[in-house]
Amino acid sequence: SQELEQSPQSLIVQEGKNLTINCTSSKTLYGLYWYKQKYGEGLIFLMMLQKGGEEKSHEKITAKLDEKKQQSSLHITASQPSHAGIYLCGAVFQDSNYQLIWGAGTKLIIKP
Amino acid sequence: DGGITQSPKYLFRKEGQNVTLSCEQNLNHDAMYWYRQDPGQGLRLIYYSQIVNDFQKGDIAEGYSVSREKKESFPLTVTSAQKNPTAFYLCASSISLWNEQFFGPGTRLTVL
Repeated sequence: SQELEQSPQSLIVQEGKNLTINCTSSKTLYGLYWYKQKYGEGLIFLMMLQKGGEEKSHEKITAKLDEKKQQSSLHITASQPSHAGIYLCGAVFQDSNYQLIWGAGTKLIIKP
Repeated sequence: DGGITQSPKYLFRKEGQNVTLSCEQNLNHDAMYWYRQDPGQGLRLIYYSQIVNDFQKGDIAEGYSVSREKKESFPLTVTSAQKNPTAFYLCASSISLWNEQFFGPGTRLTVL
């Protein structure tokens, strides 16, 4: 969706290195979801952010929503092979009847 | 175990045939959704249902139909009117509309 841009499109990272994925909107977000997808499978919920400046962590994954609520970043520390997959952000905009709009995804490959 | 199931995982059909994809959930969720995912693109909403016996068109409803006769079930029919039906189809459910969505494993439909 042009309303929601994810970058980079793909990422190859050496195992053990840190990485960041971004999700940027041209409009103010009501809420932002991060999901992970293994190729050919369903999506697994990671985190949901709603407040400006909010930050949440789960194991080695941290997601943050900026103060203006127009950009979110997903940071993985000390990447492992299990982190490989496609990361998708989904945003709720107040003027879209609260429907979830999805980014195109970031494909993450972890090199051993 | 509570969850959401889709069947079959792979489906092949000849052009011009209608095909129905199954989606069942035992999470007692009111809302259910159907998405289509194409390579390099985010999820696109086909139909959604807020409650039993009610459903609404999403962004790409043309060539698709749904029913919601039971809370647990939300089958999707891909009709012969859908011009490019080959895709990965994902079903999801949430406790109420646009809350955190739980996804099924997906059905990959190939039309020959």
